[in-house]
Amino acid sequence: GQQLNQSPQSMFIQEGEDVSMNCTSSSIFNTWLWYKQDPGEGPVLLIALYKAGELTSNGRLTAQFGITRKDSFLNISASIPSDVGIYFCAGPRTDKLIFGTGTRLQVFP
Amino acid sequence: DSGVTQTPKHLITATGQRVTLRCSPRSGDLSVYWYQQSLDQGLQFLIQYYNGEERAKGNILERFSAQQFPDLHSELNLSSLELGDSALYFCASSAGVSGANVLTFGAGSRLTVL
Repeated sequence: GQQLNQSPQSMFIQEGEDVSMNCTSSSIFNTWLWYKQDPGEGPVLLIALYKAGELTSNGRLTAQFGITRKDSFLNISASIPSDVGIYFCAGPRTDKLIFGTGTRLQVFP
Repeated sequence: DSGVTQTPKHLITATGQRVTLRCSPRSGDLSVYWYQQSLDQGLQFLIQYYNGEERAKGNILERFSAQQFPDLHSELNLSSLELGDSALYFCASSAGVSGANVLTFGAGSRLTVL
């Protein structure tokens, strides 16, 4: 079935570093969403992208909708310990939302 | 608090048993989605209901079934449980029926099958 591949699979970084992760698909999406899952919690929406080439920020987070519409990128600047969690990209397919494989982020002080 | 309520939060049971997971969507939301998250896995879409009717089906096993009631709460029934069914089960809700709508997730129900 449809799969969204995220890379890297996991990241171990030091507090203050910038983070980049991406999400790719073999087919086009018209919407890209980025969610974060804190340990023991459900995913929470971070950023929504609706137009190819769109660049949207939410605080220290910036996401981009790839111009091919087959990929999206998420950047986190000046990471802090509470950025720890799993980051998922997601895209809609008719009535359902397909999630990526996730990028697990660990931040060390 | 996301507004989506899931019960129970934790459930331990034995193989072969049947369990029911319950979800109350956020006030005003008509769509309910169920996802399964196994250890170190992504979120696998199971099924979606909109205003009481099934709208989309994912990789849901025949041993699993769900329904959405007139008050919009939903239940996911898992039967003939196997060890591999151990996972986090998330419910999410949205206002509309499209997958492009923003989903609000509950905190999940952690099922352990021994």
